Amino acid sequence: DAGVTQSPTHLIKTRGQQVTLRCSPKSGHDTVSWYQQALGQGPQFIFQYYEEEERQRGNFPDRFSGHQFPNYSSELNVNALLLGDSALYLCASSLGGDEQFFGPGTRLTVL
Amino acid sequence: GEDVEQSLFLSVREGDSSVINCTYTDSSSTYLYWYKQEPGAGLQLLTYIFSNMDMKQDQRLTVLLNKKDKHLSLRIADTQTGDSAIYFCADRPPKAGTALIFGKGTTLSVSS
Repeated sequence: DAGVTQSPTHLIKTRGQQVTLRCSPKSGHDTVSWYQQALGQGPQFIFQYYEEEERQRGNFPDRFSGHQFPNYSSELNVNALLLGDSALYLCASSLGGDEQFFGPGTRLTVL
Repeated sequence: GEDVEQSLFLSVREGDSSVINCTYTDSSSTYLYWYKQEPGAGLQLLTYIFSNMDMKQDQRLTVLLNKKDKHLSLRIADTQTGDSAIYFCADRPPKAGTALIFGKGTTLSVSS
């Protein structure tokens, strides 16, 4: 059984660009949450998708947006990248939001 | 203060027990979690405890919950070098819905 997968593994962008990160949930899971983990910090909740709708959102600006597809996979989009957006972006899947299982993350570097 | 607080570092010898502590602020929290993160990797769910429990044991791991003091601990028995990692405590308070609120993590260093 494949766990949560994320792509790409690493990404380098410049300020002002846009980026799209992808996540495939664990088999049988219907809920995807995205977290941002800055260096030396714990993950911070960005938003959660369920039934192709954003169900809940953390304290992140509108530059961060997402999407969930009918097969439950999800994308995270970040527009107008800032240096401070450099972080590890983690996707977590769950069934309805309970036990959340994390993927390996995408390391985003903004230059 | 922060919603979830942890001490930043713990150093132990191989074979000893490790105890990682965490405090949280929301007394109505129903689920509390422990995650492990190895260098360059995502988070691995180790265990979780419901608020109506005082203790949960799972092989070498023992979780203790003191609701009165809002204190959670993770004990690792017979600590091995492979246990070296960052351990995160996470809360899921009702005000946050299904979002997890993480501490900053405790770096566990195990020496042989």
